Amino acid sequence: QVQLVESGGGLVKPGGSLRLSCAASGFSFNDHYMSWIRQAPGKGLEWISYISNSGTFTKYADSVKGRFTISRENANNSLFLVMNSLRVEDTAIYYCAKNAIAAPFDSWGQGTLVTVSS
Amino acid sequence: EIVLTQSPGTLSLSPGERAALSCRAVHSVDNYIAWYQQKPGRAPRLLIHSASSRAAGVPDRFTGSGSGTDFTLTISRLEPEDFAVYYCQQYGSSPLTFGQGTRLEIK
Repeated sequence: QVQLVESGGGLVKPGGSLRLSCAASGFSFNDHYMSWIRQAPGKGLEWISYISNSGTFTKYADSVKGRFTISRENANNSLFLVMNSLRVEDTAIYYCAKNAIAAPFDSWGQGTLVTVSS
Repeated sequence: EIVLTQSPGTLSLSPGERAALSCRAVHSVDNYIAWYQQKPGRAPRLLIHSASSRAAGVPDRFTGSGSGTDFTLTISRLEPEDFAVYYCQQYGSSPLTFGQGTRLEIK
């Protein structure tokens, strides 16, 4: 079955950086778009980025554009999110999710918590 | 950006009752609407896609309807495990957006 496991979250100071990873299994990773979605504590869901199956096409929400970079390694079934210039408002659980172009998020990881605080 | 507005914010019902959750888009999203269920401490789970198609393994008491700008998730007979937060999401245009959620609580 599909499994997505995020890692790399933690406590970081404002202005700092963090790299999240998502290990995928149970499906043909290089056939699917992948996304990162976040959820601030007690708040709703916010899509922040997706990447095409080949990795050549990426898209970002305005809230993270220029600060976050999504990438993938199909050979290792892995998805990444490099987060720079972190702000307090980036504090959230970060989920990776499997999707396709014009398709919903049909599988989600369990999430990894990122806390930005001084 | 397509803003999705869900109503009500909180819905208080009893097991066995019928729930109707609304999601309204400011512009047409055709049928590119999904519904997710999220329980405390858990990741969201896809329930409905393409406005009315149930995802694999979703009980048939969950029904999605609507097109264009107005959508509804109906739960025909609430089971105890259905009390959760529900989000709609549009995936027809970028940025992908979610509604703010409806909390379904036990009355």
